[in-house]
Parts: sequence; C-alpha cells; structure tokens
Amino acid sequence: SQTIHQWPATLVQPVGSPLSLECTVEGTSNPNLYWYRQAAGRGLQLLFYSVGIGQISSEVPQNLSASRPQDRQFILSSKKLLLSDSGFYLCAWSVSGNYGYTFGSGTRLTVV
Amino acid sequence: GQNIDQPTEMTATEGAIVQINCTYQTSGFNGLFWYQQHAGEAPTFLSYNVLDGLEEKGRFSSFLSRSKGYSYLLLKELQMKDSASYLCAVQDSGAGSYQLTFGKGTKLSVIP
Repeated sequence: SQTIHQWPATLVQPVGSPLSLECTVEGTSNPNLYWYRQAAGRGLQLLFYSVGIGQISSEVPQNLSASRPQDRQFILSSKKLLLSDSGFYLCAWSVSGNYGYTFGSGTRLTVV
Repeated sequence: GQNIDQPTEMTATEGAIVQINCTYQTSGFNGLFWYQQHAGEAPTFLSYNVLDGLEEKGRFSSFLSRSKGYSYLLLKELQMKDSASYLCAVQDSGAGSYQLTFGKGTKLSVIP
C-alpha cells in the first residue's frame, strides 16, 4: 500500500533562519507531488508541484523553493524565513489524477 | 483561474442532517472533491464527483451540477466526531499535474 511521510510534525524557527521540510512517498512510482500551505483563517494554497524528478513548478512568488532529487522525495526549502511563512505545510501525492490527493500528516511551522 | 465559495461556518445538532454548499467558477473542470479536516490534522478524502448527480457513501453524500457550478455535501445522522472543516476542491481539466484548487473550508460544529 502507498504511504506518505512528512517531517517534522512541528517546527519553531527564528526569522532569517533556513528551512528544510522533507516528504517521501512509498509504494508507488512516478507520483505527482505537491506542497501546500494553510495559513490561519485561509484555505489551502498550492506552493509547488512536481510531475517528475527535477521538474518543479511554482504557483506563487515567494522566498520558498522546492526540489525533487529522487522520484519519491520532495523537499521544501527556504534560505531565510519570514514571519509570514508561518503556517501548516502539507505534502500530497497523486498518481491516477482522478481520485484527488493523499496528504501527509503536515508540518506546523511557527516563525518567531 | 478558479473561484470556489463555501460558507465559513455552520452549526448543527447531533443526529440531524446538514448540507454544506459549494459553488465554483472554473475555466476547465475535471471533477470536484470533498475533504474532511479535523483541527490540527491533514485533510482526508471524502468524495469525488465528475458527473452530475448524487454519490452516496454511508452517512455522507455529495451532489454535483456542472451546468450550475454547484455541489453540496450532505451529512446524515450527525455525530460529535463530525465536527471538522469540510473542504471543497475542484480539479482543473487543463492541468497536466491534476492540480486541485481548494475552497477556504466550512467549519462545522456539531452540538449535543
């Protein structure tokens, strides 16, 4: 069966510090991978998606970046965090495309 | 682009029936999804509609009218554990990555 792992679960980081969130999928090949952010009182915002190794599409301009070094690994990074980067970050995957996403358990990031 | 509207909050009584509406405007349509999200957790898949009509799954049903850009999620025999946010999401037919665009969610409170 397919599983998706996302870590860490919670993170408190100072403004200006770097960020690295990792997401891995097991039990499937060539998944579509996504990073979403959910800020307080707002909906899920698509940040990045990837349809293959090294292929990254960005949906919103910001100080975040994403990479896909392996087929089932998706990494969200920042060189310098802003207060506005606080939120609930969710990784998700899909394969067939017609049955939506399966989400990871999420990372709650607080930038202080 | 896509625009998805759903009520911000609803309250219903345990054992009752509640209907959560969702309207959308989209340039392309490949299906509508409903997700349930408990506080502090990741969204989980509830239902998928691509054709007009009603899809029933236990206590939950979802309806779609593509011509009206309208869907609803019907929850019967409400239980306290149904207190959660319910997210409406539309899949764009033109997106090769099968992207989902989410509404801001409806926070449902079930009271005794």
